[in-house]
Amino acid sequence: SQKIEQNSEALNIQEGKTATLTCNYTNYSPAYLQWYRQDPGRGPVFLLLIRENEKEKRKERLKVTFDTTLKQSLFHITASQPADSATYLCALDEDTGRRALTFGSGTRLQVQP
Amino acid sequence: NAGVTQTPKFRVLKTGQSMTLLCAQDMNHEYMYWYRQDPGMGLRLIHYSVGEGTTAKGEVPDGYNVSRLKKQNFLLGLESAAPSQTSVYFCASSTSQGRAYGYTFGSGTRLTVV
Repeated sequence: SQKIEQNSEALNIQEGKTATLTCNYTNYSPAYLQWYRQDPGRGPVFLLLIRENEKEKRKERLKVTFDTTLKQSLFHITASQPADSATYLCALDEDTGRRALTFGSGTRLQVQP
Repeated sequence: NAGVTQTPKFRVLKTGQSMTLLCAQDMNHEYMYWYRQDPGMGLRLIHYSVGEGTTAKGEVPDGYNVSRLKKQNFLLGLESAAPSQTSVYFCASSTSQGRAYGYTFGSGTRLTVV
């Protein structure tokens, strides 16, 4: 069966360090992989996406990598700030013909001042 | 622009009651989606629509019905609520290339069934 795995344990880091979040998937051949941020009590907010033929994508302090051989995406936040504290979700388009994204359960990031 | 608006924001239902959740978007998006989010389960797709008058089942459609009579609105109905439907419900919309441009989500409806 298709599965998306994100670390369920919270990631705690110090302000100024780089946070690295992992998204692993099995039995998918996604054309796109997306990352979202979700704050408590709010809906997810789209951050950036990467295509299957791209190895790396950057947006300001954010960087995403996509390794289709390892079936893994890494999401990096450089020079992290307490305001970056949130839950981060990865999402893939399914290869079953269903035209909707499938989401991982997310990883909570806590940046300590 | 308001983006995606969900009403109501909170609701408590008794088992067996019915209700409709409303989602409205003002971005002229073709696609709309209903997800539910439960602790540790992530977002799970209930139903989605790729255009006015069309709907399709998602991962967890049982116990829910949907309608998309107008392009800007997507309704989620619970005919006979059950405690297992206690959850936070999110509506989202996207262009037809949503997988390439991202989804816009509403702020959610927190539903408790007692």
